Amino acid sequence: GENVEQHPSTLSVQEGDSAVIKCTYSDSASNYFPWYKQELGKRPQLIIDIRSNVGEKKDQRIAVTLNKTAKHFSLHITETQPEDSAVYFCAASIQDDKIIFGKGTRLHILP
Amino acid sequence: DAGVIQSPRHEVTEMGQEVTLRCKPISGHNSLFWYRQTMMRGLELLIYFNNNVPIDDSGMPEDRFSAKMPNASFSTLKIQPSEPRDSAVYFCATTGLADEQFFGPGTRLTVL
Repeated sequence: GENVEQHPSTLSVQEGDSAVIKCTYSDSASNYFPWYKQELGKRPQLIIDIRSNVGEKKDQRIAVTLNKTAKHFSLHITETQPEDSAVYFCAASIQDDKIIFGKGTRLHILP
Repeated sequence: DAGVIQSPRHEVTEMGQEVTLRCKPISGHNSLFWYRQTMMRGLELLIYFNNNVPIDDSGMPEDRFSAKMPNASFSTLKIQPSEPRDSAVYFCATTGLADEQFFGPGTRLTVL
């Protein structure tokens, strides 16, 4: 069935360095790829999304890239800050409004 | 708009009891999703509705789980009877014309 794989499951980076989280998806019909950030004890919140008609999108320190041929998409956070510490989820649309989530990446920003 | 509203925020119950979780979607949003989140299994889609009609309930783990959406402003997820392995955070999320899913604050369920 449809699947989204996310790596790594845990990531520690020094404050100020960059963080990269990678996802792959299985459904070639997927055309919407959101990324959610979930802080401890809070709800997931959308931070950025990308559609299949573009290859890259940037919003300040956050960027996403999409390779439809390889069915890969990635989240890049530059100049990381302590408040970036959270769990990040990638997701891919599979039908109608339905999206399937990756298992999440716990990002630790080290002082 | 107050966003997606869920109640209760926390629920502690004993095994075998009935549990009802409630969700009020953002006004005008026509798709509603129920998710379960655990450390082991991550965010799992249980069921989703479009215009109050259940579209896909393939994620509902077993017959003990049921969900309804009697109108555009209210949905329930019921577990009867509850078991300790049902302990999780249950999120309701809704979408409107755009694809973004807005999550409610979640209900933390503990079944003893």
